[in-house]
Amino acid sequence: AQSVTQLGSHVSVSEGALVLLRCNYSSSVPPYLFWYVQYPNQGLQLLLKYTTGATLVKGINGFEAEFKKSETSFHLTKPSAHMSDAAEYFCAVSGFGSSNTGKLIFGQGTTLQVKP
Amino acid sequence: NAGVTQTPKFQVLKTGQSMTLQCAQDMNHNSMYWYRQDPGMGLRLIYYSASEGTTDKGEVPNGYNVSRLNKREFSLRLESAAPSQTSVYFCASSEDVVGAAGDSNQPQHFGDGTRLSIL
Repeated sequence: AQSVTQLGSHVSVSEGALVLLRCNYSSSVPPYLFWYVQYPNQGLQLLLKYTTGATLVKGINGFEAEFKKSETSFHLTKPSAHMSDAAEYFCAVSGFGSSNTGKLIFGQGTTLQVKP
Repeated sequence: NAGVTQTPKFQVLKTGQSMTLQCAQDMNHNSMYWYRQDPGMGLRLIYYSASEGTTDKGEVPNGYNVSRLNKREFSLRLESAAPSQTSVYFCASSEDVVGAAGDSNQPQHFGDGTRLSIL
């Protein structure tokens, strides 16, 4: 069965510092992977996705993520944090098989705090 | 540019009352989903509809029913609300599933949520 683990439910960085949000997945087939962001009182918005091809994926708002098959990881990074990046971030893997076809398997989420 | 629209945005109910959460999408997507979001638990799938006329249970379906009224609309009904159903509910839609394994490289598009409190 597929699963997603996000290491750290809360991450705090200073404005201008590197953002690193960790995501590890479990999947027996090559995965499709997604990062979503949720701002307060809003729905989830797609940041970026990995399907096939280039393992370094660029998304919106300066975020990028690297798919590392050997480490089963898909960590999200941004070189310089901005106050507006404060939000909750979700990693997800596409499900497959009889029980998960068409579904997304979400991690528990990581809340990013950006300090002035 | 509506995307996925959910109504209402907020609702307070008393235990035992019933209500229907509405969701509509204008992207011509076949697949639609209902999730609940609770602190520390991420998003949990309640029900899923792969196409008009079909629905499947997700991870936490107990206490809920759904109707895929047409391709655009997917409603969630609480027949007898309980305090444990206090949550934020999200509707989402996506393009068709692709891939031999049944997995999809298509993202889901989310509404802004319905904040439901049951007293």
